[in-house]
Amino acid sequence: QKEVEQNSGPLSVPEGAIASLNCTYSDRVSQSFFWYRQYSGKSPELIMSIYSNGDKEDGRFTAQLNKASQYVSLLIRDSQPSDSATYLCAGGSGNTGKLIFGQGTTLQVKP
Amino acid sequence: EAQVTQNPRYLITVTGKKLTVTCSQNMNHEYMSWYRQDPGLGLRQIYYSMNVEVTDKGDVPEGYKVSRKEKRNFPLILESPSPNQTSLYFCASSPLGTWGGRWGNEQFFGPGTRLTVL
Repeated sequence: QKEVEQNSGPLSVPEGAIASLNCTYSDRVSQSFFWYRQYSGKSPELIMSIYSNGDKEDGRFTAQLNKASQYVSLLIRDSQPSDSATYLCAGGSGNTGKLIFGQGTTLQVKP
Repeated sequence: EAQVTQNPRYLITVTGKKLTVTCSQNMNHEYMSWYRQDPGLGLRQIYYSMNVEVTDKGDVPEGYKVSRKEKRNFPLILESPSPNQTSLYFCASSPLGTWGGRWGNEQFFGPGTRLTVL
């Protein structure tokens, strides 16, 4: 099992819909989880961080963490074409500051 | 403006010609890291540093060197570049320390350096 695993997609949703992105992780990853958005050829941009079980909301984004099931998800409400990007899930590993990244899920929001 | 900067942004070079990619951050972060990103392989960590004069290997350190003589700078050195080092490189920085008992590892990325080795 990869340490952080995502479905590569593409995930296609119509404009205005909810996009649901999922990520699972192994026992080596714990404590802190992050979602990054990356446009083609650009650098990853941090959009959400979550540390505790449950939901965390920020504007149109909601991150959900379930440590018992070892998954973390990102919901994007009212999806816009500008949300079309690759979304990277990352988890902290140990106390060295290291982040382990998933391969990313490509999201396409169609007008 | 809080940021991580990298230079150069684009570089085409030839095999064996030593090069340095600079990285600088103005957020007083302890932690800095270098990644390379390749299609199908995702982001892979090359080296990281938890503070001045403290560096360690990441997942793909072969062919690379780093140094951390000042807190703000973390240059990546390719002593003898080869074509398999053609990639998109990112520098990132992060504050370190406990936050409610957890490590806060929010990393902030530079704009990237696209390197081509012929």
